[in-house]
Amino acid sequence: EAGVVQSPRYKIIEKKQPVAFWCNPISGHNTLYWYRQNLGQGPELLIRYENEEAVDDSQLPKDRFSAERLKGVDSTLKIQPAELGDSAVYLCASSILSGRFQFFGPGTRLTVL
Amino acid sequence: ILNVEQSPQSLHVQEGDSTNFTCSFPSSNFYALHWYRWETAKSPEALFVMTLNGDEKKKGRISATLNTKEGYSYLYIKGSQPEDSATYLCAFIYNQGGKLIFGQGTELSVKP
Repeated sequence: EAGVVQSPRYKIIEKKQPVAFWCNPISGHNTLYWYRQNLGQGPELLIRYENEEAVDDSQLPKDRFSAERLKGVDSTLKIQPAELGDSAVYLCASSILSGRFQFFGPGTRLTVL
Repeated sequence: ILNVEQSPQSLHVQEGDSTNFTCSFPSSNFYALHWYRWETAKSPEALFVMTLNGDEKKKGRISATLNTKEGYSYLYIKGSQPEDSATYLCAFIYNQGGKLIFGQGTELSVKP
């Protein structure tokens, strides 16, 4: 069974540029999560989807971050414009249902110069 | 504010040493605790899901215990090997369907 796929694995951009990350969850997993992990800290939830619906986006900085999960499968997370403080690892995870075991992708390491 | 603390932040041991880490979490409204291992450049890998007070889980040389009344979980590694080198994360869920609240992780380095 294929795991959670994320791309790109690494991204280096200059500040004020836009950037987008893509996630393909495990087939059949209804719940999809985006996390951000800053250096020396644990991952923090940015947004959680149940199928197409964003059910928890309280930690998503909505002035510059946006996300979508069209058709309840793949998801993209966008930052526009990026700031220096956005440098982090962005993790995608999926689970069959909310509250169940989560399976993580390898993450995208973003560096904003 | 729900806070999950892990200690130590980092640990350096020799091959063959046994080691343990601590995860502290709020003792009220407990639903589940997850342990993950995250090797560099790889996906975080689930180790254990723990739900009941007194739970003990084991996977090879790694085991974990859970005390929900006092709000802590221990992860033990017996006879550490270089391949055990990774960051070990615990994550707390405080109600069914709730989000994972992660600790900051314990970075383990095992020297041959």
